[in-house]
Amino acid sequence: AQKITQTQPGMFVQEKEAVTLDCTYDTSDPSYGLFWYKQPSSGEMIFLIYQGSYDQQNATEGRYSLNFQKARKSANLVISASQLGDSAMYFCAMREGPGNQFYFGTGTSLTVIP
Amino acid sequence: DTEVTQTPKHLVMGMTNKKSLKCEQHMGHRAMYWYKQKAKKPPELMFVYSYEKLSINESVPSRFSPECPNSSLLNLHLHALQPEDSALYLCASSQAVGTYEQYFGPGTRLTVT
Repeated sequence: AQKITQTQPGMFVQEKEAVTLDCTYDTSDPSYGLFWYKQPSSGEMIFLIYQGSYDQQNATEGRYSLNFQKARKSANLVISASQLGDSAMYFCAMREGPGNQFYFGTGTSLTVIP
Repeated sequence: DTEVTQTPKHLVMGMTNKKSLKCEQHMGHRAMYWYKQKAKKPPELMFVYSYEKLSINESVPSRFSPECPNSSLLNLHLHALQPEDSALYLCASSQAVGTYEQYFGPGTRLTVT
């Protein structure tokens, strides 16, 4: 079974609008971490936001927030006030297990339209 | 400073060549990683070093040989590669292996001819 599922291969959003990128995960480990990364066409993976499995509140970092629904095993990324520079590939990832294995989803390509 | 540097940015090598990729971080991180990424795919973990010791090798062919000379440096030695090894090679580091976020370098785009 896939550890991380991103069901949206491509998304479009109007500049200044908010957009939600979906991520669901699969783990039986009570302790895990969830991450979102942005990868522009230049190739560098940029860390955006982190949510721990025991965190009570949803993580926020500037225009990024993580909608963490533990019972549904979802960790959606919300980008508010989209900017043209937000156009990139976005990967959801999870760290779990005693070996702290890191798993990436297949990614969502976001295009911001002026 | 959350910078991980990688050299070279681009590398073209023949199947009989020997080359090395270099990665450096000065954040005091004790875990370092090599990933391979094909176009439009997620990164695939290759190796993990924790406190300068190899802790994970994801069944990577022996033509890829990692080396961690010290806590700031990570090398990937390449020998007798195949054209299908052409990819973006990403280095990352984190405070330790665990819940911490990984910081990635810009990658080396490798082409094997």
